[in-house]
Amino acid sequence: EVQLVESGGGLVQPGRSMKLSCAASGFTFSNYGMAWVRQAPTKGLEWVATISYDGSSTYYRDSVKGRFTISRDNAKSTLYLQMNSLRSEDTATYYCTRYGYFDYWGQGVMVTVSS
Amino acid sequence: DVVMTQTPVSLSVSLGGQVSISCRSSQSLVHNNGNTYLSWYLQKPGQSPQLLIYKVSNRFSGISDRFSGSGSGTDFTLKISRVEPDDLGVYYCGQGTQYPTFGSGTKLEIK
Repeated sequence: EVQLVESGGGLVQPGRSMKLSCAASGFTFSNYGMAWVRQAPTKGLEWVATISYDGSSTYYRDSVKGRFTISRDNAKSTLYLQMNSLRSEDTATYYCTRYGYFDYWGQGVMVTVSS
Repeated sequence: DVVMTQTPVSLSVSLGGQVSISCRSSQSLVHNNGNTYLSWYLQKPGQSPQLLIYKVSNRFSGISDRFSGSGSGTDFTLKISRVEPDDLGVYYCGQGTQYPTFGSGTKLEIK
């Protein structure tokens, strides 16, 4: 059974940093691109970043470029999202999802950016 | 960015009934490789989104044949037949032909 389990969320002040993790199991992690998708409270889905299966290619939405970094450790089957210079508009539930068709999703982790 | 426009915003249906949700993209979703990367997702209350349909009309593993997708180019439709209580939630279309974008969602309520 495919499982994606996010961790690392919480309350953070504007301008500070936070790192999210996503532990994957039930499939060969190193064979798949992965992505982060977020959902602001009561809002829709918004793609954040994607990383290729081997980590050699990364892609970001414009609003997080230069602030967020997606990475992965295939030996640990873990996906990461390093978020710097956080803004109030980054407040959202962040989902880890398997790229391609976004066929599997984690339970999500809440990030609240507020002073 | 490719803008995805979903209609209606919400709809109410009786159990056993049928509904259709429309999704239009601001650009053709036909990829250079000939595939059309249009998917449908359902987010049940308090849950993560789940994939229903991928590449316009392919049902994901374990998805009931009551769900069907159709369309081409820029116009797509999700049909749900014989609606059941467990179908309630918010339905999103999403495209992966370019950088991924999603529609704003359609809330399905059961009468």
